[in-house]
Amino acid sequence: EAGVVQSPRYKIIEKKQPVAFWCNPISGHNTLYWYRQNLGQGPELLIRYENEEAVDDSQLPKDRFSAERLKGVDSTLKIQPAELGDSAVYLCASSLRGEQYFGPGTRLTVT
Amino acid sequence: KQEVTQIPAALSVPEGENLVLNCSFTDSAIYNLQWFRQDPGKGLTSLLLIQSSQREQTSGRLNASLDKSSGRSTLYIAASQPGDSATYLCAVRLSSGSARQLTFGSGTQLTVLP
Repeated sequence: EAGVVQSPRYKIIEKKQPVAFWCNPISGHNTLYWYRQNLGQGPELLIRYENEEAVDDSQLPKDRFSAERLKGVDSTLKIQPAELGDSAVYLCASSLRGEQYFGPGTRLTVT
Repeated sequence: KQEVTQIPAALSVPEGENLVLNCSFTDSAIYNLQWFRQDPGKGLTSLLLIQSSQREQTSGRLNASLDKSSGRSTLYIAASQPGDSATYLCAVRLSSGSARQLTFGSGTQLTVLP
């Protein structure tokens, strides 16, 4: 069974540029999460989806971050414009009955 | 707000040693606790999940314990191997509120020397 797929794996952009990350969860998992992990820290939740509905986005910086999960499967996380402090690893996870399975993440470097 | 602390932040041991990683949390009303492994440049791999009603879980050389009342969990690794070198993260899920949200510790970076 394929795990959670994320792309790209690495992204380097200049500040003020836009960037987008893509996630394909495990087939059949209705819950999808986006996390941000800063260097030396644990992941922090940005947004959680139940099917196509964002049910917890309280920690998403809405002035520059947006996310969507069309048709309740794939999801895209966007940052526009990016700032230096956005450099981090962005992790996607999915779950069916509680236990979360993580993708490899996208390492973003903003210069 | 739930806070999760992991001590030590880094640990280096010779191959073959048994070791214990510690995790503490401030709100004991948890639904479950999960231990993850993260290799450099990789995502998180779930190692063990302990439900709030359980005291411990075992998988191979790994044993995780949970003491809800004191807000502590330990991950015991027996007969450590160089391949165990990674960052180990614990995460807790509360029983109420945003019930599916995991709160992570900052991790313990383990190095097992051959």
